[in-house]
Amino acid sequence: SAVISQKPSRDICQRGTSLTIQCQVDSQVTMMFWYRQQPGQSLTLIATANQGSEATYESGFVIDKFPISRPNLTFSTLTVSNMSPEDSSIYLCSVEDPGQYYNEQFFGPGTRLTVL
Amino acid sequence: RKEVEQDPGPFNVPEGATVAFNCTYSNSASQSFFWYRQDCRKEPKLLMSVYSSGNEDGRFTAQLNRASQYISLLIRDSKLSDSATYLCVVYMIKAAGNKLTFGGGTRVLVKP
Repeated sequence: SAVISQKPSRDICQRGTSLTIQCQVDSQVTMMFWYRQQPGQSLTLIATANQGSEATYESGFVIDKFPISRPNLTFSTLTVSNMSPEDSSIYLCSVEDPGQYYNEQFFGPGTRLTVL
Repeated sequence: RKEVEQDPGPFNVPEGATVAFNCTYSNSASQSFFWYRQDCRKEPKLLMSVYSSGNEDGRFTAQLNRASQYISLLIRDSKLSDSATYLCVVYMIKAAGNKLTFGGGTRVLVKP
């Protein structure tokens, strides 16, 4: 499976500021995803990032708040803009790899964000 | 109704015992299914895919029941290291893009 790294691993930010999270994969992948996991909750998909096209956002998430870049097949960034304490969460990127029968998704280690 | 529902637990399991739990999904067009394991403060890791005929991987057995729209996970001979949250995940291919939907997770605590 692909090896995924994320930077930063954690950060504490002031409200009103923005943070850009980087996701690096050790192989070329077509589809990359960004998820959010709020405290005590399961994962929620923010958007799908495909190289060469605009990211596709899920209901409740907008580009102005979570701009995404996907400049090549091994890298993506997610920016959390104009942060508020409600944005405190773990942000995870994932990639899709073909499995034996199904496409399987693998996750990066996550970025733990605290907004004061 | 949530798209993917799980009993949150916790399931308190004596070491060496068997534990099983289910997950229900609402969309009959769901195409594939997975169990992920998430340890505290870690990312989810793929435990196993769930095949239509059911499949086994060591002490773990997964079953799919499309008619009743549920999948199950059974853990035999539980180890202390099996303590984790188990996430049921449903995959759909859509025109707008493929999508994984996660259940809320079932917490399992294996005790000596």
